[in-house]
Amino acid sequence: DGGITQSPKYLFRKEGQNVTLSCEQNLNHDAMYWYRQDPGQGLRLIYYSQIVNDFQKGDIAEGYSVSREKKESFPLTVTSAQKNPTAFYLCASRSSGGDFTDTQYFGPGTRLTVL
Amino acid sequence: RKEVEQDPGPFNVPEGATVAFNCTYSNSASQSFFWYRQDCRKEPKLLMSVYSSGNEDGRFTAQLNRASQYISLLIRDSKLSDSATYLCVVNSAGGTSYGKLTFGQGTILTVHP
Repeated sequence: DGGITQSPKYLFRKEGQNVTLSCEQNLNHDAMYWYRQDPGQGLRLIYYSQIVNDFQKGDIAEGYSVSREKKESFPLTVTSAQKNPTAFYLCASRSSGGDFTDTQYFGPGTRLTVL
Repeated sequence: RKEVEQDPGPFNVPEGATVAFNCTYSNSASQSFFWYRQDCRKEPKLLMSVYSSGNEDGRFTAQLNRASQYISLLIRDSKLSDSATYLCVVNSAGGTSYGKLTFGQGTILTVHP
C-alpha cells in the first residue's frame, strides 16, 4: 500500500527531553512537510523539504530540527528548547512538479504530550 | 488579519439539509485552493480542489471568487457521515513552487438525525 506512516501514534515526554517523531512515505514524493495542530487552530508549518539533503524553516521552526537523508524519510526532533511542545504533529508529502495544484497528503499524526 | 479565515461554527444541521461554509483569504497572489476534511483526532484528508470556474463532486460544490478573495463549500443532502471539521486551505506560494499551504482554523459540522 502506498502512503505516509508516522510513529509513534502517541508519545509522552518529560520536560527537558528531546524526542524524535518518525515520518516515512513510499509515494516517491519529493517534498515533505511537518505541521503542528493545536486545539481550535489551523495547521502551522514547522519545516519543509523539497529534496533530499535540503530543508527550510517554516513559520514556527524554533525548538525543532529535521533531517532529510533519504527521500522516503523526514524525521522531526522536538528539542527541550520548544517551550510548548504538547500538540498534534502531522507529516505530509507532495509530488513536486512545480504545479501549484499538487495537493499534500497527510500521515495519521503523532500526539505528543509533555508531562 | 489572518491569512485564511473561516467561521468556526459549529454548524448543527439535520440530515438532508443543505449547508454552506465560507472562507476568505488575504493573499491575492494565492494560486490554488482546497477543502480538506478532518475527522476528530485524525489527519486532514483532501475533499476537493477548488477551480476558478467552480466545481462539483456529487453532493459537494466548491466556488472561488478571486475578486472578493472568497471560497465556499456547499454540501447538499447532508449525511450523518458528513460530520467533521472542514478546513479551507490556500496555496500561498506567491510565485515560488514549494507548495506552502495555509490552513484556516476549520469549520465544525455536526449532522444529526
